[in-house]
Amino acid sequence: AQKITQTQPGMFVQEKEAVTLDCTYDTSDPSYGLFWYKQPSSGEMIFLIYQGSYDQQNATEGRYSLNFQKARKSANLVISASQLGDSAMYFCAMSPTRSARQLTFGSGTQLTVLP
Amino acid sequence: DADVTQTPRNRITKTGKRIMLECSQTKGHDRMYWYRQDPGLGLRLIYYSFDVKDINKGEISDGYSVSRQAQAKFSLSLESAIPNQTALYFCATSDSPTTLSTDTQYFGPGTRLTVL
Repeated sequence: AQKITQTQPGMFVQEKEAVTLDCTYDTSDPSYGLFWYKQPSSGEMIFLIYQGSYDQQNATEGRYSLNFQKARKSANLVISASQLGDSAMYFCAMSPTRSARQLTFGSGTQLTVLP
Repeated sequence: DADVTQTPRNRITKTGKRIMLECSQTKGHDRMYWYRQDPGLGLRLIYYSFDVKDINKGEISDGYSVSRQAQAKFSLSLESAIPNQTALYFCATSDSPTTLSTDTQYFGPGTRLTVL
């Protein structure tokens, strides 16, 4: 069984500053993938970034980077130079690599960017 | 045009009614999924299909059924809707994973379903 924990129900950040959203996970699978999705108030789910458990380097996508610490079982999302449009709910998710690729989601973090 | 579309986008129905939510995709993906999202919670998997002849139950399949009419179409049915099925429903699609790429899931815009 897999479990994703996001301990920050809400976060505030000043525009142009960096922010880290926490995600810890638990799994018995030796190989897995970690994902972050953004859900704006309009409701759609937008894929942001992916990290494989055997990837040597932390994933980056534009202003998004994933701080992957395998020994700590954490996969924190870092957003640099926050923008007002970053205000949204952010979900961490994972799936095992070797079995059916079902995503398990955390409960989300609501990020508000302040002007 | 959107790659993953869902119809209807909003639906209000009454307890006991049968309702179908439809999903279609133009991404050419083999795999399709149905999730539901309840307030304050992440998404939970209802059903998934890896091809037209392969359909599998997810975490919360009770009270739901699905049909994969074609590679591009995956429908979710509530045979007899009940109020606790009020939720936001998402369809997602993904490619099959390879050694070079993962199977990132891409989501439709969601269907907001209210059962009175």
